[in-house]
Amino acid sequence: QAVLTQPSSLSASPGASASLTCTLRSGINVATYKIYWFQQKPGSPPQYLLKYQSDSNKEQGSGVPSRFSGSKDASANAGILLISGLQSEDEADYYCMIWHNNAWVFGGGTTLTVL
Amino acid sequence: QVQLVQSGAEVKKPGASVKVSCKTSGYTFTTYDINWVRQATGQGLEWLGWMSPDSGYTGYAQKFQGRITMTRDASIGTAYMELTSLTSEDTAVYYCARNKAFTGDFDHWGQGSLVTVSS
Repeated sequence: QAVLTQPSSLSASPGASASLTCTLRSGINVATYKIYWFQQKPGSPPQYLLKYQSDSNKEQGSGVPSRFSGSKDASANAGILLISGLQSEDEADYYCMIWHNNAWVFGGGTTLTVL
Repeated sequence: QVQLVQSGAEVKKPGASVKVSCKTSGYTFTTYDINWVRQATGQGLEWLGWMSPDSGYTGYAQKFQGRITMTRDASIGTAYMELTSLTSEDTAVYYCARNKAFTGDFDHWGQGSLVTVSS
């Protein structure tokens, strides 16, 4: 089982909100991890969005709109990237990442379609 | 402005080695770590390892232990990643990215270097 699992795709309408999940493997407690999020558009390198540990320990990447925010769902053992007020430019692949067993580990990524 | 500029595309035969460079500018090279991440076509991101340009200390993903080496030339602000014993599964775009030590804030990335392994 992968360390981080992300749904492969998600669709949402312009102006709506999208909640992208990053589920940690059973036995790895989301509460103890800082979760990082990246956005990648076709043909470009990833761009850092934000990191989230808790509401008191979180940070937005430089220049990243406040429409992008992080949270956790302890009951689902998952990190969440919430994008509000969706715009067409938000259509991209989104990756989560954690530091686990002395390595950076990426989720498989979610392709967000805005239509 | 901060820039990470990588070397160009490479075509290698199976069993060969490749060395990709990442030339930095716009900041003090030794104050940020350099990570290497790769992405096969249509696939997700895979972390290869990191290096401290200050100390030269490295940490590699277990999968690549024994066939990856990360080095740097601090005098020219450039980091290098060498991967040996290439197979077709190593065909990917390789990225360098900088981060503050002990954080995952990969805030600036290189443009990527396509490495193709083909006989």
